[in-house]
Amino acid sequence: QKEVEQDPGPLSVPEGAIVSLNCTYSNSAFQYFMWYRQYSRKGPELLMYTYSSGNKEDGRFTAQVDKSSKYISLFIRDSQPSDSATYLCAMSARGNNDMRFGAGTRLTVKP
Amino acid sequence: DVKVTQSSRYLVKRTGEKVFLECVQDMDHENMFWYRQDPGLGLRLIYFSYDVKMKEKGDIPEGYSVSREKKERFSLILESASTNQTSMYLCASRQNSGGYTFGSGTRLTVV
Repeated sequence: QKEVEQDPGPLSVPEGAIVSLNCTYSNSAFQYFMWYRQYSRKGPELLMYTYSSGNKEDGRFTAQVDKSSKYISLFIRDSQPSDSATYLCAMSARGNNDMRFGAGTRLTVKP
Repeated sequence: DVKVTQSSRYLVKRTGEKVFLECVQDMDHENMFWYRQDPGLGLRLIYFSYDVKMKEKGDIPEGYSVSREKKERFSLILESASTNQTSMYLCASRQNSGGYTFGSGTRLTVV
């Protein structure tokens, strides 16, 4: 079993839809959780960074962490074609050099 | 903004060649990383460095070596390139906390 599981998709939604992206994990020591967005032919860029359980909101993006279920989510409200990208979850136990990444979910938002 | 620059976007090399991938960051970050990214496998850590001349093996170091002679520069070396090293290579840097900043990647093809 992989430490971090992420459905690769692809996921296709119409513009304006609410998008839900998810990851599950097996290591209960993880306490730092991140979401990265990767456009085609580019490197990943950090989108959201959260510590421990709870929600964090930034504009149209909301990150949720449920440590009891070992489950994290990224919600995108009012999705736009510019949100079309691959989204990678990542997590770390010590917050330093032990990051583990999901395989990424490819999202397409159609106009 | 922190910038991580990878010297080549695309490289084509022959089997058995020695290959150098260069990465430079401009924000005085302590930690630097080399990942490879393959479809369905996500990002896998090859090597990382937490200081000049210091290096640590990641999950898949076989067939690779690294060099960090200056704080801003982290090089990945493929001693004798093989076709199974065809991949997207991503360099990243990080201060002592927070998420990673990635370069745009080098797509290496070994023929």
